[in-house]
Parts: sequence; structure tokens; C-alpha cells
Amino acid sequence: QKEVEQDPGPLSVPEGAIVSLNCTYSNSAFQYFMWYRQYSRKGPELLMYTYSSGNKEDGRFTAQVDKSSKYISLFIRDSQPSDSATYLCAMIYNFGNEKLTFGTGTRLTIIP
Amino acid sequence: DAGVIQSPRHEVTEMGQEVTLRCKPISGHNSLFWYRQTMMRGLELLIYFNNNVPIDDSGMPEDRFSAKMPNASFSTLKIQPSEPRDSAVYFCASSPGTSVNNEQFFGPGTRLTVL
Repeated sequence: QKEVEQDPGPLSVPEGAIVSLNCTYSNSAFQYFMWYRQYSRKGPELLMYTYSSGNKEDGRFTAQVDKSSKYISLFIRDSQPSDSATYLCAMIYNFGNEKLTFGTGTRLTIIP
Repeated sequence: DAGVIQSPRHEVTEMGQEVTLRCKPISGHNSLFWYRQTMMRGLELLIYFNNNVPIDDSGMPEDRFSAKMPNASFSTLKIQPSEPRDSAVYFCASSPGTSVNNEQFFGPGTRLTVL
């Protein structure tokens, strides 16, 4: 079993819809959680970072962490065609430990 | 800053040949990471360096893979001999090593095809 599970999709939604992307993890030692966005033929780039249970907002994006359920989510409001990309969750055991464990990524397409 | 630079961007080679991938991290970053990305396995960490020293190479799949970082501005990942199952996109990333969010900055990747 992988430490981090993520539905690969693909996921297609109409423009303006709310998108929900999710990851589950098995190791409760993970403390810090990130979402990376990867456009086609590009390297991943950090989108959001959080370390506590609860919600964190940044514009149209909300990252949610539920450590008791070992479940993290990324919500995208008012989705735009420019949001079409692969979204990878990533997590780390503790600050100072630089080894990221990634999910396999969910490919998202926003249909105009 | 130009960001993380990788070369070549594409490499096609035949089974058994030696392949060398190159990476120039962002100036001033202390940590460098090599990843491999495939559809089946996603993004996997192969090895990472801190201050030019290999810290964790547990992700290196076999002895056919080796990585070096002779100085703070250059690293190589070598596959010898290459096999078709090595076909993947290889990413290099660098990090300041001290940021609160441990952000890693990725290069554009090298798409490797082994025939």
C-alpha cells in the first residue's frame, strides 16, 4: 500500500464549478501538507501549504486537512480553464525534513 | 533568476547505452533533489543532496543509477546501462533548505525514452 493515495482521474468539470481534489495517507507521522500544480510538459510548482487541521484559504483555493481521518482536500472555487493541470498532494514528516512524499496526481480539465 | 535548469530536455537512446542528465539548481539553494515521474508510479524521489552531500539515496532503484553533485551549481544523474523501463520524465528540484514551507522549485524535466 502506498503511503499517499490520490485518485488519478481524469476529472473534467465545466467552467465556474467547484472542484474537490483529495488525498488520503496512512502514516500519522506526516505533519505538513502541500498541494503542487503541474501544467502539461512543466515541472510541479507549489500552490498551497498547511500544517494544521482545518482550512486555509488563498484566493479561489482552499486547502483542508483532517489529521484524525488522514485526509486532505483542495477546493477550487469558480474554476477557470487556466486551472486545467495535474494537482499533486505532497506531505512531509516534520519541519527540517526535506523529503516530500507525493501522491500520484489528479489530472483536471476545466471545460469552457 | 532563470530557475532550475535541466539538460537535455529530451533524450532518446537505445537499451544498454549510458545516459547522463544534468541539473543546475537555483543559485543560493542548499538542497537538490532528483525525481522520476511515470504514469504508473507518479513522482518518486530518487536522491537528494544537502550542501553537495547525498543525504538520502533510498529511492535510487538499482546500481545502474548514480548521482553526483561536485559543486553547489551542478549535479548529474547517470544511468548505465539504460533499460526501456527507465523511460520516464526526470525532474531536478532545488530548495533553500531553510524556508518554512520547504518549497521545492522544479526544473522543466528531461523526458527520457529508452528503446
